[in-house]
Amino acid sequence: EAGVAQSPRYKIIEKRQSVAFWCNPISGHATLYWYQQILGQGPKLLIQFQNNGVVDDSQLPKDRFSAERLKGVDSTLKIQPAKLEDSAVYLCASSKRRGGTEAFFGQGTRLTVV
Amino acid sequence: QQQVKQSPQSLIVQKGGISIINCAYENTAFDYFPWYQQFPGKGPALLIAIRPDVSEKKEGRFTISFNKSAKQFSLHIMDSQPGDSATYFCAASLPYSGAGSYQLTFGKGTKLSVIP
Repeated sequence: EAGVAQSPRYKIIEKRQSVAFWCNPISGHATLYWYQQILGQGPKLLIQFQNNGVVDDSQLPKDRFSAERLKGVDSTLKIQPAKLEDSAVYLCASSKRRGGTEAFFGQGTRLTVV
Repeated sequence: QQQVKQSPQSLIVQKGGISIINCAYENTAFDYFPWYQQFPGKGPALLIAIRPDVSEKKEGRFTISFNKSAKQFSLHIMDSQPGDSATYFCAASLPYSGAGSYQLTFGKGTKLSVIP
C-alpha cells in the first residue's frame, strides 16, 4: 500500500512570495489533514477535510493560508503572502474515517522563508 | 494554551536501558492517547495508543501506562536500542462529536538518543 505522498520535499522562498504544497493521501482514505510543525514543536492541525468538504479550519490563518481538496482525493495548501514565521514542515496525513483510526503521515514539505 | 505537556525535552539512555517519557493533559474529555515516533526527515508514525478504560498497554518493548486520576500517561521503552533514537510525541484527541473534527493535540516532543 503506497503511503501519503507530498511534494515538494523542500522549498525556499522570500517573504511575501506565494507557495503551494501538494498531497496525495492513501487510496480510499476519506479524511485528510494538514499539520504545521515548527522546529522543536509538535504538529499543529491547520485544516481537516472529510472527502472534499472542510471539517475544521479553525486554526488556519485564513488571511494568508488556503487549502482545497478537489474531487475528495488530492489536496493543495497555499500560503500567500508568506511570512518568516511560516518557516516550518508542513505535514499531510490521511485516515480511513473520522475519529479513532490511525492517521498516516507523509514525509512533509520543509518550507524556509527568508 | 498547551493542552498536552510532555517531558523531558531530551533524553539520553544507554543501550539496553529503559526510556521513560511522560505526558500530562488538562482536558478530561480526551479519550484517545497515541504516541508517535518521528525520525529526521520523516513524518510521525503511530507507535502505540491507549484509551482511558485501561491502565496499561504493551506492544513488544513499548508500554503505555495511563493514570486517569492524575491525568498523566507515559511511554516506557524497554531494552532501548540505538535504532530507537528518534523524537517521540504524545498526543490526545477528543471523542468524535459528529459535528466536527477529531484532531490530535500533540505534545512538544522528546528527542531520545540511545547510546551504544
